[in-house]
Amino acid sequence: EPEVTQTPSHQVTQMGQEVILRCVPISNHLYFYWYRQILGQKVEFLVSFYNNEISEKSEIFDDQFSVERPDGSNFTLKIRSTKLEDSAMYFCASSARPLNYGYTFGSGTRLTVV
Amino acid sequence: GENVEQHPSTLSVQEGDSAVIKCTYSDSASNYFPWYKQELGKRPQLIIDIRSNVGEKKDQRIAVTLNKTAKHFSLHITETQPEDSAVYFCAASIQNNNNDMRFGAGTRLTVKP
Repeated sequence: EPEVTQTPSHQVTQMGQEVILRCVPISNHLYFYWYRQILGQKVEFLVSFYNNEISEKSEIFDDQFSVERPDGSNFTLKIRSTKLEDSAMYFCASSARPLNYGYTFGSGTRLTVV
Repeated sequence: GENVEQHPSTLSVQEGDSAVIKCTYSDSASNYFPWYKQELGKRPQLIIDIRSNVGEKKDQRIAVTLNKTAKHFSLHITETQPEDSAVYFCAASIQNNNNDMRFGAGTRLTVKP
């Protein structure tokens, strides 16, 4: 079964540093997403991406965040100047259109900002 | 935007009993409602979904019901087993839009043997 892969699985970074979280969506999918989950809390929508541009973003996705699809396979989330409260699990997801079977989430990247 | 409310936040049942988790949504345009199961430290896994043109869907011990008029949908797990213990999230989205989903806050289900 096709999978969404994310790297790294765990990243520790100093406050104020930039991090890039990487995702490889399922190859025939057209819609890409980033979600985050603070420990013990709900999954929160960050951003959706289609046709090489952001389709929608939440209030969480402020100027310190950016997304990019630098080539035909990778989808990245950059956090420019990390804050302690950015510590969370970040899930990438992809879907085909029309949506027939729900998202496929990646296994997540646990970001720890110290 | 869409707002999804989920209840209860925690649910404890005896093995073999049924468990019911309820969600409400705010955007009447939402037409796709998946349920995810998340075990500790793992990614959310889709377990069942329902579309707005269907009132009920069943898959073995799991069923979902949808009331479009009242804007609520529920997950029913029958004959619960200890391995059903996990956090369950409901979600709502509008297909044929961006498909981005809004999740409920989650229900921690504990099935006691």
